[in-house]
Amino acid sequence: KNQVEQSPQSLIILEGKNCTLQCNYTVSPFSNLRWYKQDTGRGPVSLTIMTFSENTKSNGRYTATLDADTKQSSLHITASQLSDSASYICVVKDRPGNTGKLIFGQGTTLQVKP
Amino acid sequence: NAGVMQNPRHLVRRRGQEARLRCSPMKGHSHVYWYRQLPEEGLKFMVYLQKENIIDESGMPKERFSAEFPKEGPSILRIQQVVRGDSAAYFCASSSGDQPQHFGDGTRLSIL
Repeated sequence: KNQVEQSPQSLIILEGKNCTLQCNYTVSPFSNLRWYKQDTGRGPVSLTIMTFSENTKSNGRYTATLDADTKQSSLHITASQLSDSASYICVVKDRPGNTGKLIFGQGTTLQVKP
Repeated sequence: NAGVMQNPRHLVRRRGQEARLRCSPMKGHSHVYWYRQLPEEGLKFMVYLQKENIIDESGMPKERFSAEFPKEGPSILRIQQVVRGDSAAYFCASSSGDQPQHFGDGTRLSIL
């Protein structure tokens, strides 16, 4: 069964610290991997998208990595801010095009404390 | 340029009633996707529609659930004879061509 597993399930860090979230997937075929941020009560917002040939992509303080051989990805958040408190979701698209499905992980809930 | 608009944001229904969830895609987007997020679970694909066509409904429950995206107006996700297990957040996303999907803020459905 195609799956996307994330760890840790939840994380608490102090403002200004860095953190790294992990994602392992078994989805096949594979088109791309995305990281989304979902604030409480809101819809997911895309942070990064990486295809098979990309192994790192940055968006401000967010840096995502992808190892397509081991089927692992990470999201690194630098110099965390209170507004980073949210759920971070790893999503794998199985095929290119509109008929490709997005397969979602359960998310890592991050809480940044002052 | 408004994003994906979903309404209502919160919907309360009693068991056996019907629930209608609406989604207006972003301007220029002709592809609509519906997802369900059960408590403590990730989002799950339900259905993919283009104008007047259901392209993929492999994630839809076989009974009581239906979706449409008419030529004019929003996409509608309809749940008939709701049960407690239908309580969830329902998200709509839209896209243009093969571009990334943009998500709405969801409808939280509660069944009494």
